[in-house]
Amino acid sequence: KNEVEQSPQNLTAQEGEFITINCSYSVGISALHWLQQHPGGGIVSLFMLSSGKKKHGRLIATINIQEKHSSLHITASHPRDSAVYICAVSRKNTGNQFYFGTGTSLTVIP
Amino acid sequence: DAGVIQSPRHEVTEMGQEVTLRCKPISGHDYLFWYRQTMMRGLELLIYFNNNVPIDDSGMPEDRFSAKMPNASFSTLKIQPSEPRDSAVYFCASSFWTELRNEKLFFGSGTQLSVL
Repeated sequence: KNEVEQSPQNLTAQEGEFITINCSYSVGISALHWLQQHPGGGIVSLFMLSSGKKKHGRLIATINIQEKHSSLHITASHPRDSAVYICAVSRKNTGNQFYFGTGTSLTVIP
Repeated sequence: DAGVIQSPRHEVTEMGQEVTLRCKPISGHDYLFWYRQTMMRGLELLIYFNNNVPIDDSGMPEDRFSAKMPNASFSTLKIQPSEPRDSAVYFCASSFWTELRNEKLFFGSGTQLSVL
């Protein structure tokens, strides 16, 4: 069983739609990370969360520690948001070790 | 800072050949990670170093894979001999960690490896 599960695996949206990507994890964590990977492969760290909510532009990330769940929201989606979004957790008591979800492939259609 | 630098960006080789991937972490970062990404399995941790010392290599698939970090500014991942199933994108990442807080993970641009 994967320690980090993401849903959906694939998502297609019309430009302007509100998008939600979900991440559930089964282990104790010290932080949860949302990463973005564009076609061409580069990976960028979007957010690091250990509690509550963070916002950056049109992106919002939330985490519920008790439920072991996080969501990434994109408001007013745009074709340039098309990418793979990856959830990753860093585990407690295992040093700086990261576990990754398999990613959500998002396509935003003009 | 230039970020995490990986080379080469692309590598095409024949089965049985030795492949060496290189990584220069961000200056001051004390953790370095090697990941492999495939369509089937996503991102997998191969090995990570703390202060140049290998801490966990349990993700290294087999003895054909080896990694070194001779100093704080350089690491290599070597595959010898290479096999077609090693074809993947290999990412290097670095971070700086303290007891009180953890930092973002910074990725290199990856090496696309194709073993024919």
